[in-house]
Amino acid sequence: GIQVEQSPPDLILQEGANSTLRCNFSDSVNNLQWFHQNPWGQLINLFYIPSGTKQNGRLSATTVATERYSLLYISSSQTTDSGVYFCAVRGSQGNLIFGKGTKLSVKP
Amino acid sequence: GAGVSQSPSNKVTEKGKDVELRCDPISGHTALYWYRQSLGQGLEFLIYFQGNSAPDKSGLPSDRFSAERTGGSVSTLTIQRTQQEDSAVYLCASSARPGQPDNEQFFGPGTRLTVL
Repeated sequence: GIQVEQSPPDLILQEGANSTLRCNFSDSVNNLQWFHQNPWGQLINLFYIPSGTKQNGRLSATTVATERYSLLYISSSQTTDSGVYFCAVRGSQGNLIFGKGTKLSVKP
Repeated sequence: GAGVSQSPSNKVTEKGKDVELRCDPISGHTALYWYRQSLGQGLEFLIYFQGNSAPDKSGLPSDRFSAERTGGSVSTLTIQRTQQEDSAVYLCASSARPGQPDNEQFFGPGTRLTVL
């Protein structure tokens, strides 16, 4: 099956800093989502981005499907950005296959 | 409702008891998915419903796990004779366009199950 790898596993930032999170996947995909899991465990949809670039406020994402990776950019980070960021791609049943996540801590 | 809802939010049970977890998908979404998030195991897919049918149940961890969906809406995940390794957060998701490439999934808040 498809393997999804995220890096880095942990990231500590000072408030205001920028960061880039990476997601590599082992096979071609036609569905990729980024999620933020907040401290209460809720998975919040950030981007549906099988290819191309999207932006939403301080967040943007780029997926290069032909090279099997996606990047999530966080600019001017805030303490509320803390949590775990997951990348997920579509599996054979339409289910999502998740990476292990990047745990982000933003310090004031 | 506006989003996927799940109940209960927390469930503590004793080993050997049966539990039922409920998921109410976004109105109009025909596909429903169950996942499990365990410490150290990440997010694991359990089962998928298209309408009331579950084409493949092979993702369920054991025969103690079963799920059903009625009326193409609410789904129930049942765990019989719970074991301590069943402790996890059980997440439900729904989507509007199953089988299509643009199949964005939306998640509920989860049920945290603790088996003592």
